[in-house]
Amino acid sequence: GAVVSQHPSRVICKSGTSVKIECRSLDFQATTMFWYRQFPKQSLMLMATSNEGSKATYEQGVEKDKFLINHASLTLSTLTVTSAHPEDSSFYICSASRVDYGYTFGSGTRLTVV
Amino acid sequence: AQSVAQPEDQVNVAEGNPLTVKCTYSVSGNPYLFWYVQYPNRGLQFLLKYITGDNLVKGSYGFEAEFNKSQTSFHLKKPSALVSDSALYFCAVRDPPFGNEKLTFGTGTRLTIIP
Repeated sequence: GAVVSQHPSRVICKSGTSVKIECRSLDFQATTMFWYRQFPKQSLMLMATSNEGSKATYEQGVEKDKFLINHASLTLSTLTVTSAHPEDSSFYICSASRVDYGYTFGSGTRLTVV
Repeated sequence: AQSVAQPEDQVNVAEGNPLTVKCTYSVSGNPYLFWYVQYPNRGLQFLLKYITGDNLVKGSYGFEAEFNKSQTSFHLKKPSALVSDSALYFCAVRDPPFGNEKLTFGTGTRLTIIP
């Protein structure tokens, strides 16, 4: 149990276009979801925390207009990278918190902007 | 503010030997502590967590960790390493009071098991 599905796993897009990444909790309700960014050989950097039905809380230095987060239901959160540029290329990971104080992570999305 | 440190970027262990991956933390209250493993181009897989109770926590794939409050440590251990344990390991901490659900991650330790 406690599975989080994230897709797409890989996406290549042209500079200036937007990309949407979906994160779904398949067998539990996730009131809170998190979006992370991971650079090569580095740790996970928290980008934002999203709660169902409310606006996401962004970490300092993260552009909310570039990284749009929507958490419309208890099982779905989306991250849209708008007007993507090559420097947005990265590995993006979502996670959902559970009532047992644990966290389940998605399998990640490799975004390449060309 | 909560923080976690993994002092070793790389740990090499011979197959069959015991392994330890170190983690120390800093929080204002009583911590929730986690270990995750990451394989290339994948998300994080949960290994174990400490919330309360016994200081020795047993988790997936034969891993265990000991919560040591006086040393503010939560080292990951396994009695006998397997080549398949080679991966990137992350320690994480959450400072639970007042609805804070954010996890703070260490910088990761790359574990290589040598056949």
